[in-house]
Amino acid sequence: GENVEQHPSTLSVQEGDSAVIKCTYSDSASNYFPWYKQELGKRPQLIIDIRSNVGEKKDQRIAVTLNKTAKHFSLHITETQPEDSAVYFCAGTSGTYKYIFGTGTRLKVLA
Amino acid sequence: NAGVMQNPRHLVRRRGQEARLRCSPMKGHSHVYWYRQLPEEGLKFMVYLQKENIIDESGMPKERFSAEFPKEGPSILRIQQVVRGDSAAYFCASSPLFLAEESTDTQYFGPGTRLTVL
Repeated sequence: GENVEQHPSTLSVQEGDSAVIKCTYSDSASNYFPWYKQELGKRPQLIIDIRSNVGEKKDQRIAVTLNKTAKHFSLHITETQPEDSAVYFCAGTSGTYKYIFGTGTRLKVLA
Repeated sequence: NAGVMQNPRHLVRRRGQEARLRCSPMKGHSHVYWYRQLPEEGLKFMVYLQKENIIDESGMPKERFSAEFPKEGPSILRIQQVVRGDSAAYFCASSPLFLAEESTDTQYFGPGTRLTVL
């Protein structure tokens, strides 16, 4: 079935450094790739998304890149801050509505 | 503009009891999705509903679980005869009408209901 793999499962970076999280997907028909940030005990919050007709999108310190040929997409966070510490989930789509989530990356930004 | 609302936030049930989880979508949203999240895991799709219609329940166990989204009122996820393995966080998400047939809408999540089965 459809699958989204996410790496790494944990990531520690020094404050101010960059963090990169990578995901691969199996469904070549996937057309939408959101990224969610989830703090402990809280709801997943959308931080950035990209559609399949775009290769890159940036919003301040956060950027996402998509390589449709290789079926992978990545989240880039620059100038990390302690408040960026959370679990990040990528998702691909199956059909027009079903999100297939990755297993999450626990990011820890060390002050 | 209120976001997606879920209640209760925490629910404790004994084995064999019923659990009812409620979700009110964002204003103007007519699509509701339910996901289950086990500790230290990602979210797994359970069911997708529109008003008075179940569109896709392929991720929902065939026994003991049911969902509805009536014309009036919140969406309800119902778990009958709960077992310990049902303990999880259950998240509801909502989205507006599809932008286009080929497009996928962004889903906005509620705060979740954390179900504990004793």
